[in-house]
Amino acid sequence: GDSVTQMEGPVTLSEEAFLTINCTYTATGYPSLFWYVQYPGEGLQLLLKATKADDKGSNKGFEATYRKETTSFHLEKGSVQVSDSAVYFCALSDVGGGATNKLIFGTGTLLAVQP
Amino acid sequence: DTAVSQTPKYLVTQMGNDKSIKCEQNLGHDTMYWYKQDSKKFLKIMFSYNNKELIINETVPNRFSPKSPDKAHLNLHINSLELGDSAVYFCASSQGTVSDTQYFGPGTRLTVL
Repeated sequence: GDSVTQMEGPVTLSEEAFLTINCTYTATGYPSLFWYVQYPGEGLQLLLKATKADDKGSNKGFEATYRKETTSFHLEKGSVQVSDSAVYFCALSDVGGGATNKLIFGTGTLLAVQP
Repeated sequence: DTAVSQTPKYLVTQMGNDKSIKCEQNLGHDTMYWYKQDSKKFLKIMFSYNNKELIINETVPNRFSPKSPDKAHLNLHINSLELGDSAVYFCASSQGTVSDTQYFGPGTRLTVL
């Protein structure tokens, strides 16, 4: 079945460092790809998404490009801030049947940014 | 103006009890979901409903019974709670197509003692 693999955490960086969180996927169809972020004690928020190959999603300085040839959707940010500390989830959206879809998540990567 | 809300936020109960979690969305979406997040933060879909009809049931024990009285509500009832049911349960909603964003509620932390 479909699956998402993302790098193990925790990732610890100093403020203003460059961030990459790797994400690769396996899917039989043409999924959409998402990055969600979970701040401590909160629910998940969409960070960015891409719905077809070569699309680039971007938001709040974060970017990820849908690479079909490498089945990847790596998350990057040029300069992280302490406020970016959170758990980041890569996910793909697959057809679940009928008129709905379902999200398949990676294991999450904890990012800790130190001042 | 909360988009997806859940109650309660915390739920502590004894093994063997029955409990319910409620979810409401005011986004006008047709599809709602329940996800379970375990202690290692792993998220997995449990159910999805589209227009009050059950669409996805991911081999969840039948102690878990979702109910959708209308498109804006999806409740989760759990019978005979077990220790392994302890987790954070998230409700979400979307329009339901593959490219649509799912909007998540704040979660309900269930602790079974």
